[in-house]
Amino acid sequence: DAKTTQPPSMDCAEGRAANLPCNHSTISGNEYVYWYRQIHSQGPQYIIHGLKNNETNEMASLIITEDRKSSTLILPHATLRDTAVYYCIVSPGPGSNYQLIWGAGTKLIIKP
Amino acid sequence: EAQVTQNPRYLITVTGKKLTVTCSQNMNHEYMSWYRQDPGLGLRQIYYSMNVEVTDKGDVPEGYKVSRKEKRNFPLILESPSPNQTSLYFCASSLWGGNQPQHFGDGTRLSIL
Repeated sequence: DAKTTQPPSMDCAEGRAANLPCNHSTISGNEYVYWYRQIHSQGPQYIIHGLKNNETNEMASLIITEDRKSSTLILPHATLRDTAVYYCIVSPGPGSNYQLIWGAGTKLIIKP
Repeated sequence: EAQVTQNPRYLITVTGKKLTVTCSQNMNHEYMSWYRQDPGLGLRQIYYSMNVEVTDKGDVPEGYKVSRKEKRNFPLILESPSPNQTSLYFCASSLWGGNQPQHFGDGTRLSIL
């Protein structure tokens, strides 16, 4: 299963865009990139996922490089409530046990 | 409201006293899973279920049992809890396995003395 690499922590000013990078250089063709976040010790919350194309929803945008070896999660106008640990995960394709491999994530701190 | 409900949210108990953590989802999801989260180790999968009566081991199944008699419920059973099972537990569900977003419960914090 492909592994991901994320910076352990990042800061961002409130109201600015938060750009969270993720490297997944061993991703295979049928694996998706998923992003979740965990606020304090609450249950992880799904944010967005994608395969090849860039994706946008009401929470965030996901930019995946053409070679699919890295991606960036963008929170366009960060608020204090976006302070959380953000996890980038590569989801195995059909034929696996659909297990998500969770790393340490990026602790994002939004500052006033 | 679509949700995954875990009970209890907090439990302090003693070694060897059997306990069950319940998990219920109201989204008619086929796939359900249990994770534990420990400091520095991230979330690790304990067991998962692809559908009713279908369960399988995850990364850390030792000391745990599960059952899936109905689609909505997926209880986690600790037959003889030990202190190393002190952890934060999450139940999750998704429409089916594979590339589907998982919905998580609010967590159950277990302390085994």
